[in-house]
Amino acid sequence: NAGVMQNPRHLVRRRGQEARLRCSPMKGHSHVYWYRQLPEEGLKFMVYLQKENIIDESGMPKERFSAEFPKEGPSILRIQQVVRGDSAAYFCASSPIGTGKYEQYFGPGTRLTVT
Amino acid sequence: AQKVTQAQTEISVVEKEDVTLDCVYETRDTTYYLFWYKQPPSGELVFLIRRNSFDEQNEISGRYSWNFQKSTSSFNFTITASQVVDSAVYFCALSEAGGTSYGKLTFGQGTILTVHP
Repeated sequence: NAGVMQNPRHLVRRRGQEARLRCSPMKGHSHVYWYRQLPEEGLKFMVYLQKENIIDESGMPKERFSAEFPKEGPSILRIQQVVRGDSAAYFCASSPIGTGKYEQYFGPGTRLTVT
Repeated sequence: AQKVTQAQTEISVVEKEDVTLDCVYETRDTTYYLFWYKQPPSGELVFLIRRNSFDEQNEISGRYSWNFQKSTSSFNFTITASQVVDSAVYFCALSEAGGTSYGKLTFGQGTILTVHP
C-alpha cells in the first residue's frame, strides 16, 4: 500500500532545537501540501510544493520554518529553534495535480511536542 | 477570502440515531470543490467525499449521505443509523479552482462526534 508516509510519527524536541519532519507522497504524486493542526483547532494550510519548487508558502510562519521537496527523496518541513507554540500535529498531503479537482491524500501526521 | 464554518463543535448521539453535521462555506469563486474528511481517534485523516460546485446532486454511500445546496452555501453530512465506530472528528473543507489556489484546502474547525453504545 503506497500511501502517504510521514516520519517520525512522534517527535519530542526541547526548546531551541531543530525539528525535521519528512513526507513521502503517494506513488505518482508530485504535489505536496503541509498543514498544521494546533491543539483544539482545525487544520491550517502551510505550504504547497512541487518537485524542487515552493509554489505557495502563504501559510508558513515568516521565521524559523522552511520546506523543501527535492528532486530525489521526501519533502522536508524544517522548524528551527522550536518553541512551545510549535507543538502540534503536522500533516502532509499529496495529490497528482495541484488543483482542487483531485482529492488530497493525507499521511498519518507527525505529532511534535516541544518541552 | 474563503471560509468554512462548522457551527457544531460537539455532537453526542446514541447508537442507531441519525446525525447531521452542518457545513457552511464562503467563496468568491464560481468553481470550487468541497470535501469531508474524518479524523478518528487514531489521528489520521480519511477522505470521505469531494464535490464540485457544478454538481448539486446529493450523494449517498452506504450510511453516509451528503446534501449540497449552493443557494445556502451549505454542504451537510448525514450519518444514518450511527455506530460507535463513527465516533471521530469530521472536517469540512473547501478548495477554490482559481489560478493561485493550487488546490490548498481551507478547513472548518471540525465537529467532534461521539456515538454512545
